[in-house]
Amino acid sequence: GQNIDQPTEMTATEGAIVQINCTYQTSGFNGLFWYQQHAGEAPTFLSYNVLDGLEEKGRFSSFLSRSKGYSYLLLKELQMKDSASYLCARAGNNRKLIWGLGTSLAVNP
Amino acid sequence: NAGVTQTPKFRVLKTGQSMTLLCAQDMNHEYMYWYRQDPGMGLRLIHYSVGEGTTAKGEVPDGYNVSRLKKQNFLLGLESAAPSQTSVYFCASSPRKVRLSGQETQYFGPGTRLLVL
Repeated sequence: GQNIDQPTEMTATEGAIVQINCTYQTSGFNGLFWYQQHAGEAPTFLSYNVLDGLEEKGRFSSFLSRSKGYSYLLLKELQMKDSASYLCARAGNNRKLIWGLGTSLAVNP
Repeated sequence: NAGVTQTPKFRVLKTGQSMTLLCAQDMNHEYMYWYRQDPGMGLRLIHYSVGEGTTAKGEVPDGYNVSRLKKQNFLLGLESAAPSQTSVYFCASSPRKVRLSGQETQYFGPGTRLLVL
């Protein structure tokens, strides 16, 4: 199948670092997206990886290993406003994305 | 730029009623998508369009129809609403391929919350 697997829930403390993992099927892979979705709002784009390695954007970084079918989103210096759902989505050879169910992150003071 | 807009924001329907959800984008994007999002189910693709005048079925197309008469608009129709169609509906758009490799980013509208009684 084309399953995307990511943890359902995570909890972290304000100021800490958290890593959200995502695994996916490697066949027909054409890139991996991370989106953030606050409760009651639309998903917003965070990062895109198509080559192996780490992409850094301020407090957020995303890593990809194509051979392992593995990605992670790293959030540093956590803030309360980072409490949200983080969606992993795999791109295939067409214009469609396969979405994970999302990881609900709770940041506590 | 307003980006991707959706109307209405919220609607209550009775079983059997029909309605149309409107999605508009002002970014001159070629591709447009309709998703539904339900608790525990994630985002599921209903229909999508790769250009003006074209539409294609996604993962869960039954009970829905779409039209893309103008490049900037993508309409989602429910001919006879059912309680199972209670959901949050998101429209998204993405541009023609510009990246050297991989796929373009999808940009989402604010969503339409639909309740079917």
